[in-house]
Amino acid sequence: DIVMTQSPDSLAVSLGERATINCKSSQSLLYSSNNKNYLAWYQQKPGQPPKLLVYWASTRESGVSDRISGSGSGTDFTLTISSLQAEDVAVYYCQQYYSTPFTFGPGTKVDIK
Amino acid sequence: QMQLVQSGAEVKKPGASVKVSCKASGYTFSGYYLHWVRQAPGQGLEWMGRINPNSGETHYAQNFQARVTMTRDTSITTIYMELLRLTSDDTAVYYCARARSGNGSPLGYFDLWGRGTLVPVSS
Repeated sequence: DIVMTQSPDSLAVSLGERATINCKSSQSLLYSSNNKNYLAWYQQKPGQPPKLLVYWASTRESGVSDRISGSGSGTDFTLTISSLQAEDVAVYYCQQYYSTPFTFGPGTKVDIK
Repeated sequence: QMQLVQSGAEVKKPGASVKVSCKASGYTFSGYYLHWVRQAPGQGLEWMGRINPNSGETHYAQNFQARVTMTRDTSITTIYMELLRLTSDDTAVYYCARARSGNGSPLGYFDLWGRGTLVPVSS
């Protein structure tokens, strides 16, 4: 199974400041046949299902704020919130869909400082 | 609009089984794989398996292989997840989620989620 890790476990950022979350996979998520990284990011708020933010590591889902961006390739990935707003308070998960079983990172809790 | 509507919460006793439903609407049911993901209280997300709504083909996570069954009823665009021999460790919110891949591959990201079904297991 592919193991996903995230850092930090939690972070508190001032409003308007940048938040950066890291995700690492135990093996490469890059398919050489199509040059795509099978990595997604989700945001989850209390009492709600996860919400897709980014897929293929860096493609923002329609309707997602352009303050949110994903980057990285292979085994190392980053989610960046460029200017934190109150509505960004949530837990963020990375997930690999390169192979089954699909696996998620343990989550990073983002709060306001 | 596209949505996945799940059945309501069910309280279960240890040793019992639970069957959760997930009704898809607003899109072509047969066009996307559907998955089940669970989340224990205060914990992360755990993938349980998937079903191809078109063929009924399933693929389960090893952890659940022996006691989970996923089925579908195309006439009512609904999938089901049945989990047997429940223990307190199965207390969780169970989500269904649609996987989008762009080419019909089972390797897709989850772009549409149900609101979840809470299954507390307690004696």
